Amino acid sequence: GENVEQHPSTLSVQEGDSAVIKCTYSDSASNYFPWYKQELGKRPQLIIDIRSNVGEKKDQRIAVTLNKTAKHFSLHITETQPEDSAVYFCAASRGGTYKYIFGTGTRLKVLA
Amino acid sequence: SQTIHQWPATLVQPVGSPLSLECTVEGTSNPNLYWYRQAAGRGLQLLFYSVGIGQISSEVPQNLSASRPQDRQFILSSKKLLLSDSGFYLCAWSIGPGLDTEAFFGQGTRLTVV
Repeated sequence: GENVEQHPSTLSVQEGDSAVIKCTYSDSASNYFPWYKQELGKRPQLIIDIRSNVGEKKDQRIAVTLNKTAKHFSLHITETQPEDSAVYFCAASRGGTYKYIFGTGTRLKVLA
Repeated sequence: SQTIHQWPATLVQPVGSPLSLECTVEGTSNPNLYWYRQAAGRGLQLLFYSVGIGQISSEVPQNLSASRPQDRQFILSSKKLLLSDSGFYLCAWSIGPGLDTEAFFGQGTRLTVV
């Protein structure tokens, strides 16, 4: 079945440094890749997404890259701030199924 | 604007008791609806999804079931809870049909089976 692997499971960075989270998906027909941020005790919320017809997308300090050939996609956060501390989830969805398969999450800690 | 309501927020239930969690969406028609479970320190596991009234797809064999009696209502049920059913349950919706788009999550229900 469909599977999304996410690494690392935990990540600690100094404030101002960059953070990179990587995901690999198994279903080559996946065409939508959202990233969610979940603060402690709260609901996951979308922070950025990318479709398979695009290789990179950026929104201020956050960027996502997609390598369809390798079935990899990554989240890049630059100039990290303490409020970036949260659990981040990647997901993949195959067009027409409306089914989102999530990775296992990365707990990011930004140290002041 | 669209909103999603999920209740209760917290629930403590004894082993063997029944379960009913309810989720409703406002402000949209014919949404895709989802139930996810998040075990402590783990990812979001898709349990059920529905693309229309009465249409339920089950992803994980278990003692849970889902129903969609109305277009914007999604219910997660169990006849007899197990200890392993403890977790954080999240309802979500997305626009359907059409392109895959953002899924919007409810506030979640923290279920503790004792």
